[in-house]
Amino acid sequence: GAVVSQHPSRVICKSGTSVKIECRSLDFQATTMFWYRQFPKKSLMLMATSNEGSKATYEQGVEKDKFLINHASLTLSTLTVTSAHPEDSSFYICSARQPGSTDTQYFGPGTRLTVL
Amino acid sequence: DQQVKQNSPSLSVQEGRISILNCDYTNSMFDYFLWYKKYPAEGPTFLISISSIKDKNEDGRFTVFLNKSAKHLSLHIVPSQPGDSAVYFCAASTGTASKLTFGTGTRLQVTL
Repeated sequence: GAVVSQHPSRVICKSGTSVKIECRSLDFQATTMFWYRQFPKKSLMLMATSNEGSKATYEQGVEKDKFLINHASLTLSTLTVTSAHPEDSSFYICSARQPGSTDTQYFGPGTRLTVL
Repeated sequence: DQQVKQNSPSLSVQEGRISILNCDYTNSMFDYFLWYKKYPAEGPTFLISISSIKDKNEDGRFTVFLNKSAKHLSLHIVPSQPGDSAVYFCAASTGTASKLTFGTGTRLQVTL
């Protein structure tokens, strides 16, 4: 149980385009999902908390207009990187908290974004 | 401000021996702690957790120890296996907030 998937696993796009990344909880309903970013050889940086049916909560320094988050259902959250630039190239990882558990988050496999 | 610190960026252990990974935290409000294992280009995999009401939790080869007074936790892996080679992250939360704060990671290499 507690499986989280992400799609796509890898995406390459041109500067100025937008990219959508999907995060799905496959065997449980997640009212809360989280989006992280990891730079090479660095820790995971929380970008935002995605709440089903309401607006996402962004961490300080994360541009909400650039990183659009939608959590339209209990099993799906999407992160859209708008007008991507090379500095947005990174490894993006989502996680979901299983209801009824403590604060254990289960992570997706990640999405490698490369902006040319 | 790094509230969760893993001061050893890397660790090498022989197969069959014990691996001990350490983690320190500064926020006394943290009351739930987790360890994750991560391979390159993959998402972290949950290993084991511990609540602040306990000082030890064991699951198979993995044991986590918590010393609240020292604000220190450790992960013991025994016996270590080559497949354990990965980056290990500790994480902490204040419980109700559900937001995890991650350490910087320790790369474990288990040699034959």
